[in-house]
Amino acid sequence: TQLLEQSPQFLSIQEGENLTVYCNSSSVFSSLQWYRQEPGEGPVLLVTVVTGGEVKKLKRLTFQFGDARKDSSLHITAAQTGDTGLYLCAGESGGGADGLTFGKGTHLIIQP
Amino acid sequence: EAQVTQNPRYLITVTGKKLTVTCSQNMNHEYMSWYRQDPGLGLRQIYYSMNVEVTDKGDVPEGYKVSRKEKRNFPLILESPSPNQTSLYFCASSFSFGGVYEQYFGPGTRLTVT
Repeated sequence: TQLLEQSPQFLSIQEGENLTVYCNSSSVFSSLQWYRQEPGEGPVLLVTVVTGGEVKKLKRLTFQFGDARKDSSLHITAAQTGDTGLYLCAGESGGGADGLTFGKGTHLIIQP
Repeated sequence: EAQVTQNPRYLITVTGKKLTVTCSQNMNHEYMSWYRQDPGLGLRQIYYSMNVEVTDKGDVPEGYKVSRKEKRNFPLILESPSPNQTSLYFCASSFSFGGVYEQYFGPGTRLTVT
């Protein structure tokens, strides 16, 4: 069974600060996806990274896929209250939609 | 608007009373899945479907049934619900783009079984 460990589980910081959340595994993934989920809603896809070492930026969010394709990180610069939510990583093992493994998520609270 | 819809959004029922949660997508996606989300356990896949009339078990299929008679619909059936099926349920659809399957989730159904 492939596992994805996300850290930290909970993070509460002040608006304007920077933060990084991590997604780690001992398994290799063909791609890795990051989702954000707000209370009362379903997860929404933020980005997919495919190539080892790949870096993608989405405004203040920077996503990186590890060189060995076993881990990923999400860095937020100058966090805003609108960034509050549950961040989920999901690794795809190449087996189709059934091959997606989700981490348990990082609960992020940005305080004004 | 491209979307995945689920009904009902909230449901309180009693043990043993059969129920169905509907799921529909308007994006012509081949793949559809059902997940449940529980505190401390994250998202776990219940069943998935690769196309019409093709379904298979996910990680936690016990106590659930699904059907895929049409491409757009993927209902989740609980024949005899039990309290341990109290959870937040999500339907998702996806398609293959260069071998990558990106999930589009519905808004969720919060089920309470008493």
